Amino acid sequence: GNSVTQMEGPVTLSEEAFLTINCTYTATGYPSLFWYVQYPGEGLQLLLKATKADDKGSNKGFEATYRKETTSFHLEKGSVQVSDSAVYFCALSDGTGGFKTIFGAGTRLFVKA
Amino acid sequence: GAGVSQSPRYKVAKRGQDVALRCDPISGHVSLFWYQQALGQGPEFLTYFQNEAQLDKSGLPSDRFFAERPEGSVSTLKIQRTQQEDSAVYLCASSLRVAGDSTDTQYFGPGTRLTVL
Repeated sequence: GNSVTQMEGPVTLSEEAFLTINCTYTATGYPSLFWYVQYPGEGLQLLLKATKADDKGSNKGFEATYRKETTSFHLEKGSVQVSDSAVYFCALSDGTGGFKTIFGAGTRLFVKA
Repeated sequence: GAGVSQSPRYKVAKRGQDVALRCDPISGHVSLFWYQQALGQGPEFLTYFQNEAQLDKSGLPSDRFFAERPEGSVSTLKIQRTQQEDSAVYLCASSLRVAGDSTDTQYFGPGTRLTVL
C-alpha cells in the first residue's frame, strides 16, 4: 500500500543554516504530495504541496520538488529562523481516487539562535 | 474567520467508558476527515465524509469506533468501551471540495487529546 518515509529527528540547526528534510514515498496512481507543519501549541497546517511530477511547491521560503523518478519530495530552506522550529510532516494523497491522506511520522526541527 | 473547532480539547476516560468527540468544520466545507495521532507519530486516517455520507471508514480500528455527520456539518466520533490503546490525539479536518480534488486543502482543528486510564 501507499506509504511515506521521512528522516527521523530531531534535527537541530543554527539560525541561517540550510535545511533539508528527506521524504520518500511509495504509491500507486498519481498522488499529490504535501508538507504540513505543526508549530508548538498549534494545529497542523499545510505548508506546501505539489500535484504532479516535476512540480515545485513553495511557501515561506520552503521548497520541495515532486520527483517521480526517485519517489522523493525533500523539503528545503536556504536559511532557517528560530521561528521555523516545529514538527514537519510529509504526506501524500491517494492517487487512485480514494480519500485517504497518508502521513509520515514527522520530523522535529529545533533552530538555535 | 472561524476555523475548524473541536471539543473537548482534553478528555480523560476510565477504561470501559464511552466517549464522544465533536468536530465543527468550516462552514460550507463538503469534506470532513477524522485522524488518530499517536504520540510521536503522524496522523492516521480514520474516516471520511462527503456532506452527510460516510464514504470511507476503512481506517476505523475496530467496531468500537463510530462516526456520524447527520446534517452534513458537525461530526461526532464516538468510541465505545474505551481501552488504553485508544489514547491519542484525534484530529478533524475539513475541506471545501470533495476528496481527490488536487486543488483542495485540508484545514485541521486543534485536536482532542484522549487519555484512557
